Amino acid sequence: NAGVTQTPKFQVLKTGQSMTLQCAQDMNHNSMYWYRQDPGMGLRLIYYSASEGTTDKGEVPNGYNVSRLNKREFSLRLESAAPSQTSVYFCASSELAGDLISTGELFFGEGSRLTVL
Amino acid sequence: AQTVTQSQPEMSVQEAETVTLSCTYDTSESDYYLFWYKQPPSRQMILVIRQEAYKQQNATENRFSVNFQKAAKSFSLKISDSQLGDAAMYFCAYRTSLIQGAQKLVFGQGTRLTINP
Repeated sequence: NAGVTQTPKFQVLKTGQSMTLQCAQDMNHNSMYWYRQDPGMGLRLIYYSASEGTTDKGEVPNGYNVSRLNKREFSLRLESAAPSQTSVYFCASSELAGDLISTGELFFGEGSRLTVL
Repeated sequence: AQTVTQSQPEMSVQEAETVTLSCTYDTSESDYYLFWYKQPPSRQMILVIRQEAYKQQNATENRFSVNFQKAAKSFSLKISDSQLGDAAMYFCAYRTSLIQGAQKLVFGQGTRLTINP
């Protein structure tokens, strides 16, 4: 099973360039998330989508936009990249809280390492 | 807002010995979930163990167990009979006991565990 798939795995950008990180899950989950991981700071939530058609800001949304394209796909866009956005980005998915089958677990992709020069 | 603190940036242990990773959290809620995730060099985040706050019994998964002290807001992970494959970054995470909606996790800063052969 593929689980959560992110593309690209690595990307180098120049300051001011734009790019989109793609994420797709094949587990029929309702909720999807974008986190960023920085040394000494753990994972911080950028945006999330509780269900298809909804998106909400997380802890660190500035400089990012998201699109929940359909139930499977959730993309993260950097409109004008800055060196402060150099990080490893993780997409994750889960069942909705309250679902009978919900375990509370998030399922993660393998991460995308982004460097902004 | 809830916070999660891992005060040990790095830990090391001899192979076959036991190691305990610390985690404390701050919340005013009475019901919630706690998790330990493992991140090996491959970057893939893997769920190690989960604890529901309303359960008094400490969770156990093979060589992994937790010491959950609700009053002290402490959630430590004990790894017994450490193996080389246990070398990874370990993250403690908190989730509110939501009735509905996305399952947003709040992560600690992480502890890098090294296994010495």
